[in-house]
Amino acid sequence: EAGVTQFPSHSVIEKGQTVTLRCDPISGHDNLYWYRRVMGKEIKFLLHFVKESKQDESGMPNNRFLAERTGGTYSTLKVQPAELEDSGVYFCASSQLRGAEAFFGQGTRLTVV
Amino acid sequence: GENVEQHPSTLSVQEGDSAVIKCTYSDSASNYFPWYKQELGKGPQLIIDIRSNVGEKKDQRIAVTLNKTAKHFSLHITETQPEDSAVYFCAASISHNNDMRFGAGTRLTVKP
Repeated sequence: EAGVTQFPSHSVIEKGQTVTLRCDPISGHDNLYWYRRVMGKEIKFLLHFVKESKQDESGMPNNRFLAERTGGTYSTLKVQPAELEDSGVYFCASSQLRGAEAFFGQGTRLTVV
Repeated sequence: GENVEQHPSTLSVQEGDSAVIKCTYSDSASNYFPWYKQELGKGPQLIIDIRSNVGEKKDQRIAVTLNKTAKHFSLHITETQPEDSAVYFCAASISHNNDMRFGAGTRLTVKP
């Protein structure tokens, strides 16, 4: 069974540009999460989808971040326009049950220069 | 909301020694406490978890203890090996009800 996959693994963009991260969850997992880890800090919750619906987006930093999960399958996280403080590793995770065991992707390391 | 604190941020031990990582949480309603291991270039992987109806759980060289009264839980790794070197994260959630909150991570280095 394929795990959670994320694309790209690395992205370096200039301040002001747009970047779109993609996450393919484990098949059948209705719950999909986005997290971010800034250097040396906690893995911080961004938002949670149940199928195609946003269940909780309380962790989204600001309106430069837009997450979608059309059709309830893969999800995208777009940052537009990117700022320096957006740099970090963005993780996607999926689970069958909310708040239960979550399976993580390998992450996308975003560097904004 | 839930706030999870994790200590220490870095830990270096000699191969064969034990390593202990501690976490505290703020929401007394939390009932699910997983531990994740993140190796270089990979995403966090669940290594062990504990639910609030038990005080201790063990899986080979790894054990987790939970003190609900004090709101803290710990990861214990015995007979450490170089391949245990990684970043370890604790987390807490109210299973089925809310989303996991993570600690800041502990970078464990096991020296051969």
